[in-house]
Amino acid sequence: ETGVTQTPRHLVMGMTNKKSLKCEQHLGHNAMYWYKQSAKKPLELMFVYSLEERVENNSVPSRFSPECPNSSHLFLHLHTLQPEDSALYLCASSHPQGTQYFGPGTRLLVL
Amino acid sequence: EDQVTQSPEALRLQEGESSSLNCSYTVSGLRGLFWYRQDPGKGPEFLFTLYSAGEEKEKERLKATLTKKESFLHITAPKPEDSATYLCAVQADGGYQKVTFGIGTKLQVIP
Repeated sequence: ETGVTQTPRHLVMGMTNKKSLKCEQHLGHNAMYWYKQSAKKPLELMFVYSLEERVENNSVPSRFSPECPNSSHLFLHLHTLQPEDSALYLCASSHPQGTQYFGPGTRLLVL
Repeated sequence: EDQVTQSPEALRLQEGESSSLNCSYTVSGLRGLFWYRQDPGKGPEFLFTLYSAGEEKEKERLKATLTKKESFLHITAPKPEDSATYLCAVQADGGYQKVTFGIGTKLQVIP
């Protein structure tokens, strides 16, 4: 595997489900990001992990919970989501303050 | 607050018809300006990073330029495979990992 990988690529879940998105980077970076991309809107930064420190967008609801066990892996835990959370969720990685490289994304549909 | 405005929102070109995409930005000290290409349902693919006014970078039919207020992505003799959404983003100097994205320009190249 090369670059940034994400699984699953597609996910359909009900509002009462719990699921997790996984991201893995093979670039030797030490910063990882979660973004949300909705139609007609710019990418929205949700969370950043850099050198084991977490930075988050205060507007992200608590039903989204990130986890970064090491510099190569990043998870986004989802619970009791709403239909408006349906979007493309993108993971990215970079060197600190460097260019971000993106994974292919997870297309999430909340019913 | 950092801002990125891309124009036009959509652009339709005949194959071989050269044109330019615009990215206007306001940022409190520019650390870097990024161009990405995004195909439908996929993650953004990195194209260029520009760091200072006057800088230019080229890749195949694409050329990116930077001034103190805007960046242009010039497309010379485009082909149908250049059809995609092109995203511009800026990173502020000192801004902790924060990158601000534009909405993008959706380019369609017709054979």
